[in-house]
Amino acid sequence: DARVTQTPRHKVTEMGQEVTMRCQPILGHNTVFWYRQTMMQGLELLAYFRNRAPLDDSGMPKDRFSAEMPDATLATLKIQPSEPRDSAVYFCASGLRTGGVEKLFFGSGTQLSVL
Amino acid sequence: EDQVTQSPEALRLQEGESSSLNCSYTVSGLRGLFWYRQDPGKGPEFLFTLYSAGEEKEKERLKATLTKKESFLHITAPKPEDSATYLCAVLEGAGGFKTIFGAGTRLFVKA
Repeated sequence: DARVTQTPRHKVTEMGQEVTMRCQPILGHNTVFWYRQTMMQGLELLAYFRNRAPLDDSGMPKDRFSAEMPDATLATLKIQPSEPRDSAVYFCASGLRTGGVEKLFFGSGTQLSVL
Repeated sequence: EDQVTQSPEALRLQEGESSSLNCSYTVSGLRGLFWYRQDPGKGPEFLFTLYSAGEEKEKERLKATLTKKESFLHITAPKPEDSATYLCAVLEGAGGFKTIFGAGTRLFVKA
């Protein structure tokens, strides 16, 4: 079965370090989303791309977060410098348009802990 | 501002005890409402898409319904394997691709 692949699954780092999370969307999907999930806030949309072009990154703290799609098979989310409040599970999802709306397929997430 | 509110936050049921989860939404032009299931340690998994008021979708013990202001996920005779967090999400109608999620309902089904 086709699936969204995220790496790493777990990341523990110290405050101030750079963190890079990677996502391989499902082949043929042309929309990629980055979400962050915490107990307090639930699933928050950070950024999304369509045909590799960034459409909206208003959910991201611009001074420390950046999202890119260097090619159709790779999306990255970077945090520099990381802070303890960034600790969360980060999900990547790729979208398949059916009936005019986007059905999302999620990866298993990257569990980030910033000490 | 677009909002999605789910209730209850948590629901504990005995096996076979039917119930409903609620999702109320406020969006400028609903293009689609989604239900997802999330198991611990995993990403959300798609269940249903509803497009317009009056629409219903079914899958095994689950049935999703939609009105102009809310959606219900009905669970009939649940089993322990139905235990999960159920997430509701809406696709905004502004012509974009932004899918906004509710906080979810954690369902526990006891044998």
